[in-house]
Amino acid sequence: LAKTTQPISMDSYEGQEVNITCSHNNIATNDYITWYQQFPSQGPRFIIQGYKTKVTNEVASLFIPADRKSSTLSLPRVSLSDTAVYYCLVVLNQAGTALIFGKGTTLSVSS
Amino acid sequence: KAGVTQTPRYLIKTRGQQVTLSCSPISGHRSVSWYQQTPGQGLQFLFEYFSETQRNKGNFPGRFSGRQFSNSRSEMNVSTLELGDSALYLCASSLEGITTDTQYFGPGTRLTVL
Repeated sequence: LAKTTQPISMDSYEGQEVNITCSHNNIATNDYITWYQQFPSQGPRFIIQGYKTKVTNEVASLFIPADRKSSTLSLPRVSLSDTAVYYCLVVLNQAGTALIFGKGTTLSVSS
Repeated sequence: KAGVTQTPRYLIKTRGQQVTLSCSPISGHRSVSWYQQTPGQGLQFLFEYFSETQRNKGNFPGRFSGRQFSNSRSEMNVSTLELGDSALYLCASSLEGITTDTQYFGPGTRLTVL
């Protein structure tokens, strides 16, 4: 059974690059990884999604190594407003569909 | 374009009662999925509805059920409430479904069971 593991918390300062890694075992080539951001009293907000190698959008990058046993969310030059909880999600498309969320990483950005 | 809306935002019930939560997806989205979020278990997938049919289901007991209407609006029902059902219930919508599409989440309904 697939499981995702991510750090409970991380601290950073404004302007720094933050990398949050999620470990996920037993995922197949058609299973994809998604990262969400959640602020208090709000629903999760989509950040980025990918299957393999590297994906970049206007807010983040997602790195997935060849063995696909982990993925790393990279936030360039964080600001105070990036303080939030970040969740990785693996969508398993194996004999049906299952969604496996990580427990979330609380990122605290200080000035 | 309006986002996903959920009603009510807060709800207090007692054990043994039942509850119905409502979700209105983004216009044009045909898939609605439901999630339970608790401090202990985190985010867990309940089920997905697409074109009025349940398409995927998580590992929750039969007390948790849902339905979707022809306008894609969805309701989730929990019967015989237990204390452990206290949680934030989130719904999300997408164009074609959870297997490939970005999910857009609503603000959630905070359910407290006393």
